[in-house]
Amino acid sequence: EDKVVQSPLSLVVHEGDTVTLNCSYEVTNFRSLLWYKQEKKAPTFLFMLTSSGIEKKSGRLSSILDKKELFSILNITATQTGDSAIYLCAVDFSGGGADGLTFGKGTHLIIQP
Amino acid sequence: DTEVTQTPKHLVMGMTNKKSLKCEQHMGHRAMYWYKQKAKKPPELMFVYSYEKLSINESVPSRFSPECPNSSLLNLHLHALQPEDSALYLCASSQMTGYQPQHFGDGTRLSIL
Repeated sequence: EDKVVQSPLSLVVHEGDTVTLNCSYEVTNFRSLLWYKQEKKAPTFLFMLTSSGIEKKSGRLSSILDKKELFSILNITATQTGDSAIYLCAVDFSGGGADGLTFGKGTHLIIQP
Repeated sequence: DTEVTQTPKHLVMGMTNKKSLKCEQHMGHRAMYWYKQKAKKPPELMFVYSYEKLSINESVPSRFSPECPNSSLLNLHLHALQPEDSALYLCASSQMTGYQPQHFGDGTRLSIL
């Protein structure tokens, strides 16, 4: 049973559009939720969210967490072709066998010129 | 380029070979991780080291053997692998486990013949 669910799994938009990516989770002992961007190689870190309602922002990207409803969104405004990538949501929670990240399946975002 | 360095970038080996993957970070992080990522899938946690002590993930076969010689280095020793072990192996590090973003290396792309 998936603990971290992302939607949509794929999304195609045109340059300049705004996109919203969703991530819901169901874990106990939640510690943080992280967003990563993965192109061909390493996932690159975007945001880490630990508190509800506090927006994190970096340029055209922003993200917010709702710990009551157990979800997060990642917004990208004025999209560019360089934003094309897989966006991974991951949850860090304590317990279980080890302290690592549990990832969702990712959203494959394609920005068309 | 990331601050977590993995070598080699590519590795092709037979099922009877013994090889090792290496990971190095000089950010002073005390937690290091191995993840396995199959094509079109999210990364899956294999092992966690925290202050050079291993947290075992019991679902990982014994043909994968991790080693943490010091706080900057992490190895993954491979022996008698199967074709289904072909994947991208990612190393990550964080200041400590929990509440800290993990930073990933570019990975080793492993192919088992």
